[in-house]
Amino acid sequence: AQKITQTQPGMFVQEKEAVTLDCTYDTSDPSYGLFWYKQPSSGEMIFLIYQGSYDQQNATEGRYSLNFQKARKSANLVISASQLGDSAMYFCAMREGPGNAGNMLTFGGGTRLMVKP
Amino acid sequence: DGGITQSPKYLFRKEGQNVTLSCEQNLNHDAMYWYRQDPGQGLRLIYYSQIVNDFQKGDIAEGYSVSREKKESFPLTVTSAQKNPTAFYLCASRDRSTYEQYFGPGTRLTVT
Repeated sequence: AQKITQTQPGMFVQEKEAVTLDCTYDTSDPSYGLFWYKQPSSGEMIFLIYQGSYDQQNATEGRYSLNFQKARKSANLVISASQLGDSAMYFCAMREGPGNAGNMLTFGGGTRLMVKP
Repeated sequence: DGGITQSPKYLFRKEGQNVTLSCEQNLNHDAMYWYRQDPGQGLRLIYYSQIVNDFQKGDIAEGYSVSREKKESFPLTVTSAQKNPTAFYLCASRDRSTYEQYFGPGTRLTVT
C-alpha cells in the first residue's frame, strides 16, 4: 500500500484565493510526522511546514497551514491568498518512528499547482 | 552563507561509466541523505548517513554506493550496475535536534 497518497495531479487556483492540496498517509507507528515541500521549476525542494503526530494544534507558517485529521489519516495543505509565485509542485512526505530512527522521508507523487492571474 | 552545495548542476555520461555526484554542507548537520527523482514523480531514498563512517541503504540502493569520511561531505557514486541512472538527484541534510531536512539544488544526470 502507498504510504503517502496525493490524489490531485494538477490544480488551478485564482490569484488571491485559497487552495487546499490533499494528502493521505498510512502508518501503524504512533510516532510520525508529516511535511510539505514546494518544488519550483528550478528543482530545489523548499520546506514549508511540519506536523508531528503528537502535536495538539494544527501547524501554521505564514500563508501555509496544515489541516491535520489524525483519525482520517489526512494532512492537507492550505495556502491562503495564492500568489503567482506559488505555482510549483507540492510534495507531502512522512517520517516514521522516534527521532533517533534516521528520519527517512517517504514522499507522495506530488501535486502541480498553477495560479491564474 | 550556510547551505548545501551539489555540483555540477548538469552531468552527462556514457553508459557503462561510473559517475560520482558531489554533496557538501556547511550546516554542521550530522545526518545526510540522497534521493532520486524521476520525471513527474516524488523522491525516493537511495542512501542515508546519520554519522561519519556510517551509512544505511534506502529503498533503491542497488547500483549506487556512498561514503561518509567527513561530516561535511556525502558523495554518491552511480555505478554501471544501475539500470536506469538518468534522473534528478537531490542531497539533503538534517540537524539532529529537528526533523526538517534541508535540500541542495540537485544534479540532473543524463546517461546515454
